Formats: sequence, structure tokens, C-alpha cells
Amino acid sequence: GAGVSQSPSNKVTEKGKDVELRCDPISGHTALYWYRQSLGQGLEFLIYFQGNSAPDKSGLPSDRFSAERTGGSVSTLTIQRTQQEDSAVYLCASSSEGLEWGGHFGPGTRLLVL
Amino acid sequence: GENVEQHPSTLSVQEGDSAVIKCTYSDSASNYFPWYKQELGKGPQLIIDIRSNVGEKKDQRIAVTLNKTAKHFSLHITETQPEDSAVYFCAARKGGTSYGKLTFGQGTILTVHP
Repeated sequence: GAGVSQSPSNKVTEKGKDVELRCDPISGHTALYWYRQSLGQGLEFLIYFQGNSAPDKSGLPSDRFSAERTGGSVSTLTIQRTQQEDSAVYLCASSSEGLEWGGHFGPGTRLLVL
Repeated sequence: GENVEQHPSTLSVQEGDSAVIKCTYSDSASNYFPWYKQELGKGPQLIIDIRSNVGEKKDQRIAVTLNKTAKHFSLHITETQPEDSAVYFCAARKGGTSYGKLTFGQGTILTVHP
């Protein structure tokens, strides 16, 4: 593919439900990041994957948030028992380590918790 | 941790004028400073970056300057065009890490009037 893709592009859910957000990185990129962007705010780091492991998950806001990556490619961010404050745009980025620290961002998933 | 402050929050210029966005950072160990452009409904796109061993970098109409002593860096856009209208984010990465965990500024909404 040409770039990072994310699905769904939009998600509306009810408070208390679980949601799964998917990220497909650029082929061959070993590093994958999740960021969260709240309305009118900058991006907030959530978690970093190198291959299938997550050396840094310090940005996950609570234990309701988890993420995994399989096959060194696709990643899924799961939010359990969603709350209204979880409403935001969730962005995924990938990069080739040592070459492009800035990374390539996907278009994001816009999550609205009612 | 690192804190990045970005100013102004909004900037309005006439086509052909220059635009300057400024950021300050708190952690003197930060050594990588990317700038992103985000258009409505899209993910941030890396437009230019600078590393701490360089004071200035140019790419056509875009330039970034870095003052390590004062811990601030700036984005300069010359000969602005309406298609430059977007939200611009600065970011900083702490040295000593081998991956792209970035701390972002709050963003600047740039509007270029024809």
C-alpha cells in the first residue's frame, strides 16, 4: 500500500461498550506508534511497538486501553468500557527506525462515545 | 517530562506574505524537532525536520531554525499560498531514545487569504 491505513475511519459507540481500532502500517516498517488527538489539542503519545513487542506503553491512559501487534504488521488498539472522555481521533504512525524518525501518519479513526 | 509550547494558536496572513510559527521546549536533552501539516480530516504529514547539530534547514519555501541555547525552534513559510492553509504542529523528541516518541505542541491554525 501507499501509506498507513486505519479502520474504521469513524466510530460512534455508546458509553460502556468496547471498541477495536485497526492500523495497517507501511509494508516493511518495523516501528508503529499510536497517538491520540483530542479536539483542538496536539497529539498525545499512547504506545510504541518495535516488531510485535511494546517497549513503551507509558502513554496508555488507563488499564481500559490495550494494544497488540501481530506478524510485525497490523496493530489493534482496544478500548474497553468506553467513556465519553475517550472521544478523540486515534492516529497510527509507522517508520523505518533510524531513517525516518518523524514517521508516516495514517488518516486516523474518529471515535465518538455517546 | 518534555513540554512543548507553540505560538500563535491562530495565524492569518495574506497570500504572498511570510508566516512564522514558534515553539519552545523544556528538556535540553531533546535532539530532534519535526514539523507537521495537518489538513482537515487527514493525519499529520511531516513537512520538515531538524536535528540538534544543525541550526537551520531549508526546503523550498519552508525553513526551520533551531536555537538550542534558548530551547526554541521556528517554522518559516515564505510566499504563502492558499493551499498552505492547515494546522501546523511542532514536536520534540528526547535524545537517548532510539524511537519516535514525540511530544507535540498544541498546534497553529494557519489561514492564507487569497
